[in-house]
Amino acid sequence: AQTVTQSQPEMSVQEAETVTLSCTYDTSESDYYLFWYKQPPSRQMILVIRQEAYKQQNATENRFSVNFQKAAKSFSLKISDSQLGDAAMYFCAYRSAFVSSFGNEKLTFGTGTRLTIIP
Amino acid sequence: DTGVSQDPRHKITKRGQNVTFRCDPISEHNRLYWYRQTLGQGPEFLTYFQNEAQLEKSRLLSDRFSAERPKGSFSTLEIQRTEQGDSAMYLCASSLEMGNEQYFGPGTRLTVT
Repeated sequence: AQTVTQSQPEMSVQEAETVTLSCTYDTSESDYYLFWYKQPPSRQMILVIRQEAYKQQNATENRFSVNFQKAAKSFSLKISDSQLGDAAMYFCAYRSAFVSSFGNEKLTFGTGTRLTIIP
Repeated sequence: DTGVSQDPRHKITKRGQNVTFRCDPISEHNRLYWYRQTLGQGPEFLTYFQNEAQLEKSRLLSDRFSAERPKGSFSTLEIQRTEQGDSAMYLCASSLEMGNEQYFGPGTRLTVT
């Protein structure tokens, strides 16, 4: 079974600075997807960024980028120019790319990192 | 596109009572997922549907839990004989096709007293 570990329960960053959230995972599969989801207080979870394991190039979405190290099974999220609206719980998630007719489409989440933005 | 909706948003019930939650996915999304999130934890997968077929169930889904998706539209999650350990946020998500992004609803927060 796959596992996802986020070792930083809480992080804080000064507004306009850069912060990196860590995530490691364990899997025996060679092809999979990794995600970072954001869950603002009392609001629904939204996808921040997605990475396909077969792609060597790190994904980037505006101020959000990842550092994907497949051999090390590491998937960190970098937020540049942090804004007050970035304050949220951030979850790293894994999904297998091997989907059968009987399922295997579930997301496996880490325990999350609470990010605080200091004005 | 109004997003994934869930009803109710909050539910307080007494131990031993039955509760039912509803999820309306984004229209035309044929996949629907249920997750449970307890305080301080990430969401944990419960079950998912492709259209009306329930394709996978987690071992977290005990016999007291049942989920349906009649006609492949909305879904219901019922918990019978609730226990205090069932207190959690129940999240629903939907996606258009296999491998696509899962869009989450706001969740139903269940408190069992």
